[in-house]
Amino acid sequence: AQSVTQPDIHITVSEGASLELRCNYSYGATPYLFWYVQSPGQGLQLLLKYFSGDTLVQGIKGFEAEFKRSQSSFNLRKPSVHWSDAAEYFCAVGASAGKSTFGDGTTLTVKP
Amino acid sequence: GAVVSQHPSRVICKSGTSVKIECRSLDFQATTMFWYRQFPKQSLMLMATSNEGSKATYEQGVEKDKFLINHASLTLSTLTVTSAHPEDSSFYICSGLFNEKLFFGSGTQLSVL
Repeated sequence: AQSVTQPDIHITVSEGASLELRCNYSYGATPYLFWYVQSPGQGLQLLLKYFSGDTLVQGIKGFEAEFKRSQSSFNLRKPSVHWSDAAEYFCAVGASAGKSTFGDGTTLTVKP
Repeated sequence: GAVVSQHPSRVICKSGTSVKIECRSLDFQATTMFWYRQFPKQSLMLMATSNEGSKATYEQGVEKDKFLINHASLTLSTLTVTSAHPEDSSFYICSGLFNEKLFFGSGTQLSVL
């Protein structure tokens, strides 16, 4: 069975500071891994995805994520956070985009 | 990027009535769409996979007679919550699959009184 754990329910960072959101997964083979962002009352938007190739993946809005097989992790990073990044972030894992399991999400608050 | 339009964004209905939610892919053909349910501060739970021209595939524990899905065209899938009850109140989200990526609608907040 596949599962995703996002250990941090809520993270607060100051604007301009760096950000790392953690994601750990359980999957029997090489999975598809995704990060999505959800603004209040909205659907999700794909930030980036990984399936194969370079383990450091670049996404939209200046985000990147690194796949570490040995740690079963796919942490999301951004070097300098903007106030508009405040949102809910979801990590997902699966055999495909459609058959993904989502984590419980991490709420990001950005302090001025 | 691909755009998925979901309507209505918010609906309030009386217990026992039915509510239809539409999900349209505006600039791509979505042979496969997905329907999710999201409770406050929780993750998305996949309810069903909607396939154009065939019956939807429901996840375990989802009542197919309560949550009717129709995918009659390559750009439209609908979810009908039949005989809605207060416990059906939730945020419902659809997504369309395009180029191995999911594109999400903006969601529908259903409140059943």
